[in-house]
Amino acid sequence: DQQVKQNSPSLSVQEGRISILNCDYTNSMFDYFLWYKKYPAEGPTFLISISSIKDKNEDGRFTVFLNKSAKHLSLHIVPSQPGDSAVYFCAASEGPGTYKYIFGTGTRLKVLA
Amino acid sequence: DSGVTQTPKHLITATGQRVTLRCSPRSGDLSVYWYQQSLDQGLQFLIQYYNGEERAKGNILERFSAQQFPDLHSELNLSSLELGDSALYFCASSVDVHQPQHFGDGTRLSIL
Repeated sequence: DQQVKQNSPSLSVQEGRISILNCDYTNSMFDYFLWYKKYPAEGPTFLISISSIKDKNEDGRFTVFLNKSAKHLSLHIVPSQPGDSAVYFCAASEGPGTYKYIFGTGTRLKVLA
Repeated sequence: DSGVTQTPKHLITATGQRVTLRCSPRSGDLSVYWYQQSLDQGLQFLIQYYNGEERAKGNILERFSAQQFPDLHSELNLSSLELGDSALYFCASSVDVHQPQHFGDGTRLSIL
């Protein structure tokens, strides 16, 4: 049972345009969400997070949107750069005090120069 | 550099064997997490420790065990290895719950 789903295995975007990566979840108890970026042969790197009390969080070129009613979050990267080419994972944590994180299967983003 | 150190980077062994993976968390981080990533899969949460105590368990097999030592480093022990245990094993650390996790570069385990 995949509680966190990233239904697009891959995405290609032109440099300078917006990249939108999507993530759906099924557990309404999830209250903290994170996005990670992973380059080959490296561990995932934290990008941005959002608590369920918010619907938007922004950090530079990265913005995460949370739609709790739809159980959906998205990561927007504007403008996209070739260095953003990587695999992006969304992750969710269930409830305050829990240490268990559920990761999606990832979306491979390719930014074309 | 995330500050999380995992050793060894690569490990090749045979079925039925036992291995130990080691993780040193970022300085100041009390929480350590272990994940398994099989080919084309997401990261599967295995187990988490906070300041030496087990706090959460995921899909960890009974053949696998872990511990966190007083100096906060952690070890993941995998025994009676099977071909399906071949994967990348990541360690991550964080200051506390609901804080971003910082990942090491992983240990690639290959079972022949």
